[in-house]
Amino acid sequence: QSALTQPASVSGSPGQSITISCTGTSSDVGNYNLVSWYQHHPGKAPKLMIYEVSKRPSGISNRFSGSKSGNTASLTIYGLQAEDEADYFCCSYAGSSTSWVFGGGTKVTVL
Amino acid sequence: QVQLQESGPGLVKPSETLSLTCSVSGGSVTSGSYYWSWIRQPPGKGLEWIGYIYDSGSTNYNPSLKSRVTISVDTSKNQFSLKLSSVTAADTAVYYCARGTGTTFAWGQGTLVTVSS
Repeated sequence: QSALTQPASVSGSPGQSITISCTGTSSDVGNYNLVSWYQHHPGKAPKLMIYEVSKRPSGISNRFSGSKSGNTASLTIYGLQAEDEADYFCCSYAGSSTSWVFGGGTKVTVL
Repeated sequence: QVQLQESGPGLVKPSETLSLTCSVSGGSVTSGSYYWSWIRQPPGKGLEWIGYIYDSGSTNYNPSLKSRVTISVDTSKNQFSLKLSSVTAADTAVYYCARGTGTTFAWGQGTLVTVSS
């Protein structure tokens, strides 16, 4: 069982928008604006897509958007493309003892 | 751009010590303000932060693993290492090394370690 809860899978057709949720607690997601999202193709290094809840690193498409409300963070992918098919997981800072917690990952399928 | 690569045995016997090394290129393990970290993902489960070494000496470990974990740095080789003692089947996982900034991680590709006799 992961510290942060994500849906196991989300799917959508090309061009549609999908949202992945990441639910934590008031000790992690709810307490820090330090949520990040990663795209992961198995066998490869995870790739940073969003950091500090809603910031995009250089080179990441503006089709990817992050937000947070209370203890739940969300990643929205607009205009879904075949290349977006991958696993996505969230990460949150959780204080000096636990440091970082992660979600279980969500498999995004483009129909 | 920093690159990280894990290496070590893919099979470890129960009760023995798991040892992995992370080789860093495109950056130095002596650079300040980075958390040189280890993270793992058991099959079918989520990611778990194991611990980090910071500023070439300070360490912080996941409380659930603290009694069995040691993370160290070899500055001469630009590497950092993980040792996990008294392993059981529950320690079977893909192990990732990563460079943390406090808000983000740059990751290696991961290496599968299986604990089995």
